[in-house]
Amino acid sequence: QKEVEQNSGPLSVPEGAIASLNCTYSDRGSQSFFWYRQYSGKSPELIMFIYSNGDKEDGRFTAQLNKASQYVSLLIRDSQPSDSATYLCAVNMNQAGTALIFGKGTTLSVSS
Amino acid sequence: NAGVTQTPKFRILKIGQSMTLQCAQDMNHNYMYWYRQDPGMGLKLIYYSVGAGITDKGEVPNGYNVSRSTTEDFPLRLELAAPSQTSVYFCASGEARLARELFFGEGSRLTVL
Repeated sequence: QKEVEQNSGPLSVPEGAIASLNCTYSDRGSQSFFWYRQYSGKSPELIMFIYSNGDKEDGRFTAQLNKASQYVSLLIRDSQPSDSATYLCAVNMNQAGTALIFGKGTTLSVSS
Repeated sequence: NAGVTQTPKFRILKIGQSMTLQCAQDMNHNYMYWYRQDPGMGLKLIYYSVGAGITDKGEVPNGYNVSRSTTEDFPLRLELAAPSQTSVYFCASGEARLARELFFGEGSRLTVL
């Protein structure tokens, strides 16, 4: 069974710093990778997805993928208190891309 | 535009009771999903559907049943509720071609006592 592993944290960073969130996955054949953000008591929302090795940037967020090491990361630059949330890494469950499986999430706390 | 609507938002069940969590989406998405989230944990996939009349098991299907008679609705049935089913249940939907972005409902908090 596929597994997605994340350090549960909490990860604490000061406002303005770079937050680095990491995720490893067990299936070498995985093709698609996603980062969701979940505020306490709310439902998850998509931040970014990445399919190719390397970096993908979107505003203050950068997703990094290294398929050889089976490793995905999310960097948040200029962290803000509003970034305080749990970040969930997700991977396609099968080659057809019909469903996602999620890691346990990393809780990020940004202090002002 | 309502998106994904789940009912009820809260429910307390006694051990052995049964109930159905309702989920409806108005985005004409073919793909729909049920996840559960235990405290401090990520989402675990219970069942999913790629279209009306088609359902498949996810990571933790035991103790649950689903049906998909229409594109809009994807109810989750709990039979013989157990304390281990105490959780927050999220319904989600996505576009047909790839599970690229899932749109989640607000969740249903279920407690089994």
